[in-house]
Amino acid sequence: ETGVTQSPTHLIKTRGQQVTLRCSSQSGHNTVSWYQQALGQGPQFIFQYYREEENGRGNFPPRFSGLQFPNYSSELNVNALELDDSALYLCASSLGQGRTEAFFGQGTRLTVV
Amino acid sequence: TQLLEQSPQFLSIQEGENLTVYCNSSSVFSSLQWYRQEPGEGPVLLVTVVTGGEVKKLKRLTFQFGDARKDSSLHITAAQPGDTGLYLCAGGSGSARQLTFGSGTQLTVLP
Repeated sequence: ETGVTQSPTHLIKTRGQQVTLRCSSQSGHNTVSWYQQALGQGPQFIFQYYREEENGRGNFPPRFSGLQFPNYSSELNVNALELDDSALYLCASSLGQGRTEAFFGQGTRLTVV
Repeated sequence: TQLLEQSPQFLSIQEGENLTVYCNSSSVFSSLQWYRQEPGEGPVLLVTVVTGGEVKKLKRLTFQFGDARKDSSLHITAAQPGDTGLYLCAGGSGSARQLTFGSGTQLTVLP
C-alpha cells in the first residue's frame, strides 16, 4: 500500500507567476484535501475533492483552484502568486463517506520571491 | 467559524518529565484528531476520538476528548527525545468535510 506522495518537494517562483502542485492519494482513498501551512501555524483548509468534484472550500481566493483525476490523484493550481503564498502545501487523502481521518503527504515547500 | 486553540504554544522539558497539551474550542466537533509533525514532513495521525469523555492510550501517550466534545488533551508520560515535534489537534464536523487545525504545540524534549 503506497502512501500519499506530493511533487515537487520544493519550488521557488516569482511573484505573479503560476504554479501547479501534484498529489497522488493513498491506495483506496477517493477523497483528497489540500491545506496551506504557514511557518509556525497549523494547516489551513483550501479545498477538498471527492470523485472529481469540489466538495468543500475554505477561505481562499479563486486564484486557488484544483482538479481531481479518475485515479483520484489531484492538482492544486495557484495563479498570480503573491509573496504571502509562500508556505508548505499539504495534500491529504481520506476514505470519504464522512471519515475525517486524513493521511498527509510530505508537502511541497513553495517560496515566492 | 470554528476555531481550535492549543496551549502551550511552546514547551521545552527534560527527558523523563510528564507533560500535558490542551486543545480548546467554543464549537462542538464530531471527532477530534491528534497529529505529530516533524520538520519538512507532513502531519502523521496519532489518534482519533469521537465520543465525549473518551480516553485512548497509545503507549506513553494518553488522549482525552471532553464530555461536551469541545476540548481535548494529550498527556505524555516520561517524555523521550523522540517525542520532539509539533503536536497538532484537528476537529472534524460531520457536515463539513474539512479538518480545523489548532496552531500547534512545539515540544522539545532535551536528553
